[in-house]
Amino acid sequence: EDKVVQSPLSLVVHEGDTVTLNCSYEVTNFRSLLWYKQEKKAPTFLFMLTSSGIEKKSGRLSSILDKKELFSILNITATQTGDSAIYLCVPWSYSGYALNFGKGTSLLVTP
Amino acid sequence: ETGVTQTPRHLVMGMTNKKSLKCEQHLGHNAMYWYKQSAKKPLELMFVYNFKEQTENNSVPSRFSPECPNSSHLFLHLHTLQPEDSALYLCASSLGQGDQPQHFGDGTRLSIL
Repeated sequence: EDKVVQSPLSLVVHEGDTVTLNCSYEVTNFRSLLWYKQEKKAPTFLFMLTSSGIEKKSGRLSSILDKKELFSILNITATQTGDSAIYLCVPWSYSGYALNFGKGTSLLVTP
Repeated sequence: ETGVTQTPRHLVMGMTNKKSLKCEQHLGHNAMYWYKQSAKKPLELMFVYNFKEQTENNSVPSRFSPECPNSSHLFLHLHTLQPEDSALYLCASSLGQGDQPQHFGDGTRLSIL
């Protein structure tokens, strides 16, 4: 059975801190891993990772995938209150159409 | 503005009512999805349509009936729902089915009395 585990489940930091969110997965016929940010309602797409060791960056956010150890991390530097959200890690397999959403990591950035 | 519009934003209905949720995307995508998000639970995929054809039904009860008349519109018809069906229903679309980034609507908050 496919599995996604994100850690920590929740995190509270101060503005300006750097955070690292972890995602480990077990997916048959793994193809790629997507990161989403969910604020009050709809998730918004952040990154799609398909190759190990290649960092993707967007502003203060970056992410990397390790297909050997079956995990990914999402880094946020110089956090801002607007980064407060649930961050979802979603592995994709060749054999399925469904995105396996986990519970995510709930991040709260305080002023 | 994500390019995916859902209506209504909120819906309260009794267990014997029949209502429909609507989703429209203006992104030229070919795949559309319905998800359910209950309080403090992960997103659950319900249905997937690709080029108007249903390709996934994730063991959803028959009181939920999807309809996809074209690649831009997706409906979820509801009847004789149960209180546990109260949740946020999210529609998403992607360019193709597969590991394409999905664009989500803001959802319909459904409450069953």
